Amino acid sequence: EVQLVESGGGLIQPGGSLRLSCAASGFTVSSNYMSWVRQAPGKGLEWVSVIYSGGSTYYADSVKGRFTISRDNSKNTLYLQMNSLRAEDTAVYYCASTRDDSSFDYWGQGTLVTVSS
Amino acid sequence: QSVLTQPPSVSGAPGQRVTISCTGSSSNIGAGYDVHWYQQLPGTAPKLLIYGNSNRPSGVPDRFSGSKSGTSASLAISGLQAEDEADYYCQSYDSSLSGSVFGTGTKVTVL
Repeated sequence: EVQLVESGGGLIQPGGSLRLSCAASGFTVSSNYMSWVRQAPGKGLEWVSVIYSGGSTYYADSVKGRFTISRDNSKNTLYLQMNSLRAEDTAVYYCASTRDDSSFDYWGQGTLVTVSS
Repeated sequence: QSVLTQPPSVSGAPGQRVTISCTGSSSNIGAGYDVHWYQQLPGTAPKLLIYGNSNRPSGVPDRFSGSKSGTSASLAISGLQAEDEADYYCQSYDSSLSGSVFGTGTKVTVL
């Protein structure tokens, strides 16, 4: 059974940094496309970033230059390093496995990031 | 940023059929990229409902169906049930953004 478990969220001051983790079981992170999707309180879904099996990475314009997606194959874990955080980054962050057709087939339960002073 | 447009809400009585539209542009749906649909129940993570425009993952009832034409797509729910009350999102790939885009979301209310 595929399972994704996010961790690392919390309250952080504007300008601070945070690293989110997504531990996977039931499949191999490095062999799949993996993405981060976020949802601000009461708002819709927003794609954040993707890492392809070959290692290529892409970002939404709203986080480009501030966020970095990566993975640790030995730990079968996906990461999102978030720097220079802003109030508008406040959201629940989900990791999701991504099919070849760009659909997100498995999702974690999400981790809440709150950027506030 | 949401570049796929959905109606904010739709409603129907139990047993009725409702449809949700998803309008994109020439850089996403109109460029031939697949459209996918998600159901999000309150307080839970989204769940893949339709992939590849019209395909249902295992376990999704056949009351849910999807279609695509030109720069738009639609999700239909037939035989509406109380448990279908949720938020629904469409999603596709956008070549100008080199990434995925979601619809604005539609809240389905069962009267």
